[in-house]
Amino acid sequence: AQTVTQSQPEMSVQEAETVTLSCTYDTSESNYYLFWYKQPPSRQMILVIRQEAYKQQNATENRFSVNFQKAAKSFSLKISDSQLGDTAMYFCAFMKIQGAQKLVFGQGTRLTINP
Amino acid sequence: NAGVTQTPKFQVLKTGQSMTLQCAQDMNHNSMYWYRQDPGMGLRLIYYSASEGTTDKGEVPNGYNVSRLNKREFSLRLESAAPSQTSVYFCASSTISSYNSPLHFGNGTRLTVT
Repeated sequence: AQTVTQSQPEMSVQEAETVTLSCTYDTSESNYYLFWYKQPPSRQMILVIRQEAYKQQNATENRFSVNFQKAAKSFSLKISDSQLGDTAMYFCAFMKIQGAQKLVFGQGTRLTINP
Repeated sequence: NAGVTQTPKFQVLKTGQSMTLQCAQDMNHNSMYWYRQDPGMGLRLIYYSASEGTTDKGEVPNGYNVSRLNKREFSLRLESAAPSQTSVYFCASSTISSYNSPLHFGNGTRLTVT
C-alpha cells in the first residue's frame, strides 16, 4: 500500500517570503502521479499543481513549483512571493496509474501567511 | 455549472441514529469517491465507485455503506452512527483519466455524533 507523509503539521511565514512544504511517499510503483491540493478555510479542495513521475522536469504553476526527487521519493512544494490568500491547509497526494485511480493523501500542513 | 453537490452541509446525530449523505455531480464523470477528513490524518478514502454499477471499499469502510444510484449520484449511509464517525465528509468525482481531470470535490459535510 502507498503512504504519504507530511512531516510539518504547521508553518508560518511573512508575506512575500518563499516557503517550502515537504512531502515524502512510499510506493513500489514505477509510474504514478503526485499532486498538491490547497484547502482554504472555506473547506474547498483546490488543485495547486501536479507531477507525472516519469517526467524529469519539475512542474511549475505561476508562483508554485515542485522539487520532485524520484529516487528519494520526495515531492516538496515551493511557494514564491507568498500572499495572504495562500493561507490554507496543503495536502500532498499520490495516485497509482494502474488499477483504480484513488488518491492517497498526506496528513496536511497548515500554512499561515502573516502580513 | 454546479460541479459536485453535497447535502447536507452540517448534521448532528445522536449515537445509534442513521443517516444518508447525498452527493451528485453534473460533469458526466465516471468515478465517484467518499473521503473523510480528520485533524492530523488528512483525507482517507471510505468507498469509491469506479463506474456506474460498481462500488469498492477504500481505506476506512467500516460502519459505512454506499449506493451508486446512477451515473450522477453516490450516497454514503451510516447505519448506526458512532462518535468515532464525527468528521468532515467529502464527495469527489473524476473521469477515467484522472491526471488530466483530477478529482473535483464537493464542499464537504461536517458531521458531529454525540
